[in-house]
Amino acid sequence: DTAVSQTPKYLVTQMGNDKSIKCEQNLGHDTMYWYKQDSKKFLKIMFSYNNKELIINETVPNRFSPKSPDKAHLNLHINSLELGDSAVYFCASSQVLRTGYNEQFFGPGTRLTVL
Amino acid sequence: SQQGEEDPQALSIQEGENATMNCSYKTSINNLQWYRQNSGRGLVHLILIRSNEREKHSGRLRVTLDTSKKSSSLLITASRAADTASYFCATDDGSGGYQKVTFGTGTKLQVIP
Repeated sequence: DTAVSQTPKYLVTQMGNDKSIKCEQNLGHDTMYWYKQDSKKFLKIMFSYNNKELIINETVPNRFSPKSPDKAHLNLHINSLELGDSAVYFCASSQVLRTGYNEQFFGPGTRLTVL
Repeated sequence: SQQGEEDPQALSIQEGENATMNCSYKTSINNLQWYRQNSGRGLVHLILIRSNEREKHSGRLRVTLDTSKKSSSLLITASRAADTASYFCATDDGSGGYQKVTFGTGTKLQVIP
């Protein structure tokens, strides 16, 4: 069974559109993340939720809005897409509270292309 | 800016050789992790070394940590073609109360059969 899953795997859309990416983890972890990986492979954290509560919110345009309906799901909605939003978006989860260590489990990624 | 910078950016070796990748970081850390990313895939956790540890082994992987130099190295012994991937270090500086992990720039390893 896939531990961290994301949908869709590929997303091609026009500038100005609104799109969502969904993420689910079946590991029972308490913390979930969204990362953006650019074309140079830099991986930058965007958001983190712990038990549905936003705990990390990096400098991300407010066109990006995460939503966590429960601790197993973290979705990312992006409004008014821009060319610079093209990247691979990764969801990840970790169980910090029980282990004390932030070992991350990553989803397969969503490649977003904005035309 | 990225917390961790890795070198080399790219490394090409023959199967059976050892591969060494280095990571330097800027601030004090709680622990340092290494991840592997195969092309088109998500990152996979390899090993974690705590700030009070100097060396750790896992199978063919050996990680060292020098907190005085703010650097770490990942050694893969007897490399295989399947080790071809990008390798990232990630530092956990304990900031924000929930231990945000910051990833390095990555080393792209190619193992030639």
